[in-house]
Amino acid sequence: DTEVTQTPKHLVMGMTNKKSLKCEQHMGHRAMYWYKQKAKKPPELMFVYSYEKLSINESVPSRFSPECPNSSLLNLHLHALQPEDSALYLCASSQPPSRVGQYFGPGTRLTVL
Amino acid sequence: TQLLEQSPQFLSIQEGENLTVYCNSSSVFSSLQWYRQEPGEGPVLLVTVVTGGEVKKLKRLTFQFGDARKDSSLHITAAQPGDTGLYLCAGARSGTSYGKLTFGQGTILTVHP
Repeated sequence: DTEVTQTPKHLVMGMTNKKSLKCEQHMGHRAMYWYKQKAKKPPELMFVYSYEKLSINESVPSRFSPECPNSSLLNLHLHALQPEDSALYLCASSQPPSRVGQYFGPGTRLTVL
Repeated sequence: TQLLEQSPQFLSIQEGENLTVYCNSSSVFSSLQWYRQEPGEGPVLLVTVVTGGEVKKLKRLTFQFGDARKDSSLHITAAQPGDTGLYLCAGARSGTSYGKLTFGQGTILTVHP
């Protein structure tokens, strides 16, 4: 099973809402990632969890809050987002280190009104 | 600073033509990965190259890693409409934190029937 699943596929939220994005993998990977991607641009790294511990935070605003409940699950909690946060949010996993290649989920298309 | 220069940015060709996409850097990478992404989906890992001078083939796709591990190329033979998508190269650098890939800016390939 080489699949990374993400829910929901689409999300529309107001600036005062609180929502969560979910990601799951069952490949036994011990590194999981959140990326933000704008149209026709490369993904931008947001967070990395390695062995369920946050190892990289790319100076992401605190309105984005990651959580790794166990080695298979990764969440991204959203609160008080801005319209410019609208993007495709991608989850990925790999065996650390990432030099071996990452497996991406299909993404959540987020629209902030 | 763009550490991984990918070219061309756009490529529009007819079915059956050959093409090459390049990724160049002044930095040494411990590995170079190539991904293909279709609209509304996450990137899909095509190949990882780790050894200088390495050549890998995946059906009509040929990937090469430069001898000095600073550059890579993707060659597609007899392109088909199904090859259409965003192609991304990504490098993992030695000595950087786990999980941090440097992405090229991407090549948007359109293959016309």
